[in-house]
Amino acid sequence: GENVEQHPSTLSVQEGDSAVIKCTYSDSASNYFPWYKQELGKRPQLIIDIRSNVGEKKDQRIAVTLNKTAKHFSLHITETQPEDSAVYFCAASRFSGGYNKLIFGAGTRLAVHP
Amino acid sequence: GAGVSQSPSNKVTEKGKDVELRCDPISGHTALYWYRQSLGQGLEFLIYFQGNSAPDKSGLPSDRFSAERTGGSVSTLTIQRTQQEDSAVYLCASSWSPLGEGRETQYFGPGTRLLVL
Repeated sequence: GENVEQHPSTLSVQEGDSAVIKCTYSDSASNYFPWYKQELGKRPQLIIDIRSNVGEKKDQRIAVTLNKTAKHFSLHITETQPEDSAVYFCAASRFSGGYNKLIFGAGTRLAVHP
Repeated sequence: GAGVSQSPSNKVTEKGKDVELRCDPISGHTALYWYRQSLGQGLEFLIYFQGNSAPDKSGLPSDRFSAERTGGSVSTLTIQRTQQEDSAVYLCASSWSPLGEGRETQYFGPGTRLLVL
């Protein structure tokens, strides 16, 4: 069945360093890849997403890259800040018409130390 | 505007009892999804609604789980004869019926934390 694997499960960095989280997906027909940030006790919130017709997308300090051949996508956070500390989830879907069932990775707990 | 809301925020129940969890999507969003998040885990898809219809119920774990949506708006997830393994956070998300870039974003509610004793 559909599966998304996410690594690492935990990541600890110093403030100002970069953080990279990697995901692989199994369904080659997947065409939509969002990343969600979930702070403790809060709802998941979309931080960036990418469609399969694009190889890279950037929004200020965050960027996502997609390698369709390898079925692999990554989140890059530069100049990390303590407020970036949260759990990050990647997801993949075969987005079609009104249907967008997201298959989530298990999450990465990012800790940014001052 | 108002985001997705869910109630109750917390629910403690005894094994064997039935529970109902409610989701109020963002006004105008025709697509609605239920997910389950077990402790320290990712989100697991349960069911998808388009309007009042549920074209995909493939994620419901057993026939003790059911959901309905009325008026193209509010949805209720019902768990009958709850078991301890049902303990989790149940999240609802809504989105537009995507017709263009950016409309596929799913907005999540705060979740209902269910504890079955």
